Amino acid sequence: QLQLQESGPGLVKPSETLSLTCTVSGGSISSSSYYWGWIRQPPGKGLEWIGSIYYSGSTYYNPSLKSRVTISVDTSKNQFSLKLSSVTAADTAVYYCARHVAIVVVPAAMFFDYWGQGTLVTVSS
Amino acid sequence: QSALTQPASVSGSPGQSITISCTGTSSDVGSYNLVSWYQQHPGKAPKLMIYEVSKRPSGVSNRFSGSKSGNTASLTISGLQAEDEADYYCCSYAGSSTSFFLVFGGGTKLTVL
Repeated sequence: QLQLQESGPGLVKPSETLSLTCTVSGGSISSSSYYWGWIRQPPGKGLEWIGSIYYSGSTYYNPSLKSRVTISVDTSKNQFSLKLSSVTAADTAVYYCARHVAIVVVPAAMFFDYWGQGTLVTVSS
Repeated sequence: QSALTQPASVSGSPGQSITISCTGTSSDVGSYNLVSWYQQHPGKAPKLMIYEVSKRPSGVSNRFSGSKSGNTASLTISGLQAEDEADYYCCSYAGSSTSFFLVFGGGTKLTVL
């Protein structure tokens, strides 16, 4: 059974960089047809897609966050990571990592079938 | 890219059927059969209920069904049960073969009376 687990600081100061890692177990991050994504949810609000990465390093980002987001992958550790720079209180949210089933060239699939439990990141001084 | 539009809340009695709408544009919902639906109970991670408009993942009850007409997708839950009470989110693909974007709806709170 595939499992994803987010890890990282729960508190980040304004203007600093938020860094989270998602560890994948029970399957390989290098599987074809699967991207690996980050989604966030501010307290009491809806979901927002941040971006997704393929094991080769190919990335797609939400245009509204693109200037501040970097997603990377470490296939040797079966992990992928999120960095969000210049954070403000508006970036306070539960951050989820998820497996993103995607066939980009067609396109087809485009859904998230396995999710981590989520981790709350608070931006505050 | 604007969020997809969902009603803030819907309700129904046990055994009844309800439908949640998800309205987008000709750039997302209207152009691709790539709408998915997620169920989220309080304090839990979202769970995939429907993908590619109307397909159900293994293990999801056949009481859940999806459809699409024009720029609006819909999730129907038949034979409502108490455990269906949750928030529901739609999500659509918008993009091309060289770039893509995923947009979620604002979410709908389902209350089982």
